Amino acid sequence: NAGVTQTPKFQVLKTGQSMTLQCAQDMNHEYMSWYRQDPGMGLRLIHYSVGAGITDQGEVPNGYNVSRSTTEDFPLRLLSAAPSQTSVYFCASSLEGYTEAFFGQGTRLTVV
Amino acid sequence: EDKVVQSPLSLVVHEGDTVTLNCSYEVTNFRSLLWYKQEKKAPTFLFMLTSSGIEKKSGRLSSILDKKELFSILNITATQTGDSAVYLCAVSRGSNYKLTFGKGTLLTVNP
Repeated sequence: NAGVTQTPKFQVLKTGQSMTLQCAQDMNHEYMSWYRQDPGMGLRLIHYSVGAGITDQGEVPNGYNVSRSTTEDFPLRLLSAAPSQTSVYFCASSLEGYTEAFFGQGTRLTVV
Repeated sequence: EDKVVQSPLSLVVHEGDTVTLNCSYEVTNFRSLLWYKQEKKAPTFLFMLTSSGIEKKSGRLSSILDKKELFSILNITATQTGDSAVYLCAVSRGSNYKLTFGKGTLLTVNP
């Protein structure tokens, strides 16, 4: 069972570059989310989606875009990378928004 | 604004000890509270507690939810070195289904 698959696992960007973090799930979950994790900060919600075509902002959305064209995929786009976006990014999916969330293995992003 | 506060932030114990991790919350229209264990990589699910399920147990781990006092505890008995991890608490509200996480408790179990 693949579950939630994130790519890439590691990425180094230069300031100002853009990139897309990919997230795919094969569990037919409606709810998908993106989090960032910084030391001592826990997990902070960036954007989330309650179904294909529906997205909303989380706690720290600035500098990030999302779209949800299919149930399976939920990519996160960094528009113009900044050093403050250096973090570990996790994608998660769940059957219902309040139930167990399954996490991808994370993407460690460094912006220099 | 939803708040989730975990304590302690870190804890060092010896194998065989019993530990209690705390999670207090302030959230409008509470729906559920979830506990996760995070080792090197992705968080893995431990328990979900709701109004209809305020106590859960799995092996050496157990958790209770006090909806009146707005807190939950995670107990681990007879700790093992494999229990060393960050334990995360998260709460959801019914209106928008977003999960709000606490900062986590770093548990270190020494042999």
